Amino acid sequence: NAGVTQTPKFQVLKTGQSMTLQCAQDMNHNSMYWYRQDPGMGLRLIYYSASEGTTDKGEVPNGYNVSRLNKREFSLRLESAAPSQTSVYFCASSPGQIGNTIYFGEGSWLTVV
Amino acid sequence: AQSVSQHNHHVILSEAASLELGCNYSYGGTVNLFWYVQYPGQHLQLLLKYFSGDPLVKGIKGFEAEFIKSKFSFNLRKPSVQWSDTAEYFCAVTITGGGNKLTFGTGTQLKVEL
Repeated sequence: NAGVTQTPKFQVLKTGQSMTLQCAQDMNHNSMYWYRQDPGMGLRLIYYSASEGTTDKGEVPNGYNVSRLNKREFSLRLESAAPSQTSVYFCASSPGQIGNTIYFGEGSWLTVV
Repeated sequence: AQSVSQHNHHVILSEAASLELGCNYSYGGTVNLFWYVQYPGQHLQLLLKYFSGDPLVKGIKGFEAEFIKSKFSFNLRKPSVQWSDTAEYFCAVTITGGGNKLTFGTGTQLKVEL
């Protein structure tokens, strides 16, 4: 059982380049999330999709866009990467009811130079 | 908006010492509380959670946490730590009416020395 799978695991971008982080879950979960993790700041929610066809901004959405392609997949796009977007990105999913456990992928390390 | 505070940023313990990591949240309504652990180079894994009922929650690997509503706290404890408990620990909260979205604390880096 793969759980939450993210690609790529590592990526180096030049300032201004664009890229898409892919995420897929095989647990038939309704809700999916993108978080970023920065030293000393914990994890902060970028975007959230409560169910297929819906997306909402989280705490730090600027510079990002998302697509909930179907129930399984939730992608995160950086249109014009900036050094401030150097971070570790985690995709996550949950059944969607309040209090449900949220399951995380293994992370994508992104460096913008 | 809700927030979570973890006051201990770095903790160093010897094996067999007892552990208590502090977590306080700010929100006046109903909350669900979580502790996640991140071992070096790995993704976050759920240690335990409080949803309702008994405020003393037991999780995996001998960890437990107590929800004290009057203190807005959800401290994590373990009576005797092991070297393999070296990791970063995150407290998090979801609020009723806020969707199932976690708000995380800044994390506590625990190092257990042999």
